[in-house]
Amino acid sequence: KAGVTQTPRYLIKTRGQQVTLSCSPISGHRSVSWYQQTPGQGLQFLFEYFSETQRNKGNFPGRFSGRQFSNSRSEMNVSTLELGDSALYLCASSLVAGLLQETQYFGPGTRLLVL
Amino acid sequence: DAKTTQPPSMDCAEGRAANLPCNHSTISGNEYVYWYRQIHSQGPQYIIHGLKNNETNEMASLIITEDRKSSTLILPHATLRDTAVYYCIVSGGTSYGKLTFGQGTILTVHP
Repeated sequence: KAGVTQTPRYLIKTRGQQVTLSCSPISGHRSVSWYQQTPGQGLQFLFEYFSETQRNKGNFPGRFSGRQFSNSRSEMNVSTLELGDSALYLCASSLVAGLLQETQYFGPGTRLLVL
Repeated sequence: DAKTTQPPSMDCAEGRAANLPCNHSTISGNEYVYWYRQIHSQGPQYIIHGLKNNETNEMASLIITEDRKSSTLILPHATLRDTAVYYCIVSGGTSYGKLTFGQGTILTVHP
């Protein structure tokens, strides 16, 4: 079974632009979570989607948004990019999003550089 | 989610067992202990998880104390490829997809 895939793997943008990252979960997985990893802040939770609904959100500004499609694929968007948005963006999927935490499996990440 | 405490770094000789400790004294009854590792800024790799019983899989063993306030990840025969950052995470209940990562333990396996 294929793992979590993320596209693109690398991206260079300039300040003020916007960017869209894509995540395809493991087949059958219905929950997708997004994380940002920077050297200073480590791995931080952005948001989680299940059945096309955002169920949980981390402490990030509104410039960070996401969505999930009916096939469970997810996208995240960052508008008005800032230098500090340079990071590795990770997506993780889990099989069933119920009341109890399910094991998350991570993709390889998208490395975003903002100039 | 309960907070975890891990040593910032550990060393291990190749071929020996690596024992990585984690304290999670505020863990609640429905929270699991998860271990992930991350190599060279790749995506974190799931290793193992458990609730209260010891667990073993092809990668590692997880020993959870009876009071569930601490746990140990055991890599039985460490190799150079096991050099990575290891994260101990406590999660469960209504976490809704949120894993809270700490700083983890940098494990260096030496030849």
